[in-house]
Amino acid sequence: GESVGLHLPTLSVQEGDNSIINCAYSNSASDYFIWYKQESGKGPQFIIDIRSNMDKRQGQRVTVLLNKTVKHLSLQIAATQPGDSAVYFCAENGGGSGNTGKLIFGQGTTLQVKP
Amino acid sequence: DADVTQTPRNRITKTGKRIMLECSQTKGHDRMYWYRQDPGLGLRLIYYSFDVKDINKGEISDGYSVSRQAQAKFSLSLESAIPNQTALYFCATSDRDRGAFFGQGTRLTVV
Repeated sequence: GESVGLHLPTLSVQEGDNSIINCAYSNSASDYFIWYKQESGKGPQFIIDIRSNMDKRQGQRVTVLLNKTVKHLSLQIAATQPGDSAVYFCAENGGGSGNTGKLIFGQGTTLQVKP
Repeated sequence: DADVTQTPRNRITKTGKRIMLECSQTKGHDRMYWYRQDPGLGLRLIYYSFDVKDINKGEISDGYSVSRQAQAKFSLSLESAIPNQTALYFCATSDRDRGAFFGQGTRLTVV
């Protein structure tokens, strides 16, 4: 079946450093991808999305890169702060015109920021 | 996201009981979803609805049912709860351009 996976379950970085969280997806029909941040006891928070007609998209301190050739997605966080500590999930839509919410999630990477 | 409100936030129920989880949204989105999250795992889709008259099963719909009472309301029911339905449940909404935006979740424990 389809799967969305993250390469590392836990990533530990020093405050102020840049973080890179990786994700591999397997469904070549997916054309919409989202990164979510989930803090303990809270729902997933939408960080940034990207469509398959793009290979890079930037937000505030975050950048998402999409490599469709190798089915790889990454989230870069600049100048990581303690408040960035959370579990990060990538999600893909598995295709479907206009499908933005019927998502397949990876298992998540825990980002730990050391002061 | 405060625009998506789930009730209750926590619930303990006994095996065999019927329970309903409710979700309401003020985002004006047509599409609503119910997801389940088990410890250490990502979310899995239970049911989704693209408008009031449209209900679809997701990946793990067995043992669950839903009702879309209005554009802003989407409820999830467990007709006869069992312990392996103990999980975090999230409601979400989206439109055709972006999504999905999640509520704060309901922690359900079936004993």
